Amino acid sequence: DQQVKQNSPSLSVQEGRISILNCDYTNSMFDYFLWYKKYPAEGPTFLISISSIKDKNEDGRFTVFLNKSAKHLSLHIVPSQPGDSAVYFCAASEAGGGADGLTFGKGTHLIIQP
Amino acid sequence: GAGVSQSPSNKVTEKGKDVELRCDPISGHTALYWYRQSLGQGLEFLIYFQGNSAPDKSGLPSDRFSAERTGGSVSTLTIQRTQQEDSAVYLCASSLTRATEAFFGQGTRLTVV
Repeated sequence: DQQVKQNSPSLSVQEGRISILNCDYTNSMFDYFLWYKKYPAEGPTFLISISSIKDKNEDGRFTVFLNKSAKHLSLHIVPSQPGDSAVYFCAASEAGGGADGLTFGKGTHLIIQP
Repeated sequence: GAGVSQSPSNKVTEKGKDVELRCDPISGHTALYWYRQSLGQGLEFLIYFQGNSAPDKSGLPSDRFSAERTGGSVSTLTIQRTQQEDSAVYLCASSLTRATEAFFGQGTRLTVV
């Protein structure tokens, strides 16, 4: 049973527009959420995170929104650039307990079109 | 270097052989994770070490898989009697604590022929 779900395997966005990547989770004990970016043949790299005490965290072109009641978070990239083309993984953890450390979604392949 | 280091970067092995994959985490990081990514799949959790606590092995797919972490630092993932379905990229990550961002190595691409 997947606890972190990224229902869009791929997303195509025009350069300069907004990219919105979505993530849903089922475990109400998750209280810390992260986004990772992965290029082919490289390990994932940390992008941005958000604690459950916040509903928004912004870092340059990247903003993560958290809706706890809906158990949903999203990553917004504005404006999208060609270098943003990568696979994006959503991850969650239970800082105060739990066993698995980070639980990842299956990823969304973002393609930025010129 | 200052990052997570994994070796080898690529490994081709014959079905039935044992393999060992190594991970050198970032110095001072107490949490260490092993994940694998099969072709077209997401990141599958395998095992998690936190400090000196007993590791969480709940993600290991079979008893052919085992891992250890010596001295709270270097970790080795061992796969015995490899099968073709074991072919994947094996990723190691470390973090300061269980809930902070984890830094990944570049992975070991394992191909079982």
